[in-house]
Amino acid sequence: GAVVSQHPSRVICKSGTSVKIECRSLDFQATTMFWYRQFPKQSLMLMATSNEGSKATYEQGVEKDKFLINHASLTLSTLTVTSAHPEDSSFYICSASKLAGPYEQYFGPGTRLTVT
Amino acid sequence: AQKITQTQPGMFVQEKEAVTLDCTYDTSDQSYGLFWYKQPSSGEMIFLIYQGSYDEQNATEGRYSLNFQKARKSANLVISASQLGDSAMYFCAMRPGGSEKLVFGKGMKLTVNP
Repeated sequence: GAVVSQHPSRVICKSGTSVKIECRSLDFQATTMFWYRQFPKQSLMLMATSNEGSKATYEQGVEKDKFLINHASLTLSTLTVTSAHPEDSSFYICSASKLAGPYEQYFGPGTRLTVT
Repeated sequence: AQKITQTQPGMFVQEKEAVTLDCTYDTSDQSYGLFWYKQPSSGEMIFLIYQGSYDEQNATEGRYSLNFQKARKSANLVISASQLGDSAMYFCAMRPGGSEKLVFGKGMKLTVNP
């Protein structure tokens, strides 16, 4: 199996607060974890790539101070949305790829963030 | 530049019929991987099938098969015997050679009618 969990599944927070989203690979070790953002009826937009023990690599246009990523172990990565604003409301999905194989990414169930 | 094109915004198919979802890609890499993912309304992305650029045979996984035509740079997904649970968004994606990142197409919505 290749199960990725994500927590929380839904979160509502007030503008100006920070929100942490966890992504865990439950039954495999992940070389790399990815964070995506998906707007309604659109495709996934890669935000950043994270490797265990090193700094995340952010895609162009993604604010690294706004979206803090920590990859503490081969099974856990966290995304913290700092000082959230209503425009940060979105569906955030993480994925993880295995140490071996064709590097298919296994996705978490996603987190629906609403900033009021 | 790497690019995935899914031109069909939406398709309708009758239950038990087969359906083909189109995907073309653009890359100058010799080595790459092609993937299809399904996203139901619940939001999770479900990995369906993988095709490597050097694989000579088309990939198959149960009711899913990938019609890989390398010269035409197409990687169409064929779903045989559609089921109501197949109704979802479907995304074609490519992993360029030497990269772990995926490039996604815009997706297409499949609706299976009873």
